[in-house]
Amino acid sequence: EADIYQTPRYLVIGTGKKITLECSQTMGHDKMYWYQQDPGMELHLIHYSYGVNSTEKGDLSSESTVSRIRTEHFPLTLESARPSHTSQYLCASSVGLDPRGTDTQYFGPGTRLTVL
Amino acid sequence: AQSVTQLDSHVSVSEGTPVLLRCNYSSSYSPSLFWYVQHPNKGLQLLLKYTSAATLVKGINGFEAEFKKSETSFHLTKPSAHMSDAAEYFCVVRSGNTPLVFGKGTRLSVIA
Repeated sequence: EADIYQTPRYLVIGTGKKITLECSQTMGHDKMYWYQQDPGMELHLIHYSYGVNSTEKGDLSSESTVSRIRTEHFPLTLESARPSHTSQYLCASSVGLDPRGTDTQYFGPGTRLTVL
Repeated sequence: AQSVTQLDSHVSVSEGTPVLLRCNYSSSYSPSLFWYVQHPNKGLQLLLKYTSAATLVKGINGFEAEFKKSETSFHLTKPSAHMSDAAEYFCVVRSGNTPLVFGKGTRLSVIA
C-alpha cells in the first residue's frame, strides 16, 4: 500500500472560507500531483510539481494554488471557497525517473470537499 | 494529443463469470497504458501497466490486459469475478512525460 496521506478526508464548509488540503508522502518521490474528480467522472489534473520550489498548472483550470517547500509535502489552498469548488481532490506522487513516463503514480485516499 | 474511451460506463456480471472492461486509446506516440481501480472512499490503486514490453500484461488480483496496437485497444479481463472486484475502473494513457489522461471510468457490479 502506498504511503501517501491526505487530510482531511471529508470537509464541509461555508462559502468564502479559506481552506488548505494537505497531502504528504513518505516515499521520497520528486513528482507530486493534484487531481479533481467530480462524481462519476474522470480525474483531471489541476496542479503538479517536479520537485521542491517547482509547481505547474495542469490541464483543468483551477482557482486553487499549491506550494512545494518540502519534498514530502504538497498542500493545496483555496483562498475563498465557492459551491463550484465542491468535488473530490486526489493527491498522487511518483518517482519520475523514466522520461518515457512509465513510472507508476501512487494515489492518496482523497478529500471530499463540499462548499455550502 | 491523447485520449482514452471506456466503452461501457457500467458493467454487471455474476460472481464466478468472466469480466471484460473495454478501453480504446488515441496517442500520437508510443503510449504507456494503465488500469487503475477505485474502491469506495479509497484512493486509486494500480492494477497493471503496459510500457512497450510484453503485449499481454498481468496485474494484481487476477486481472490482465492485452495491448493491441492495430485495434488501439487495451481491454481489461479477469476469468472469474469476485464480489470484492466491485469498484470503479479507470483506463489511463500517457505518452512520455505528459500528464496522465483518464477515461471516464467503468463501474463494475458483481452479483452474487
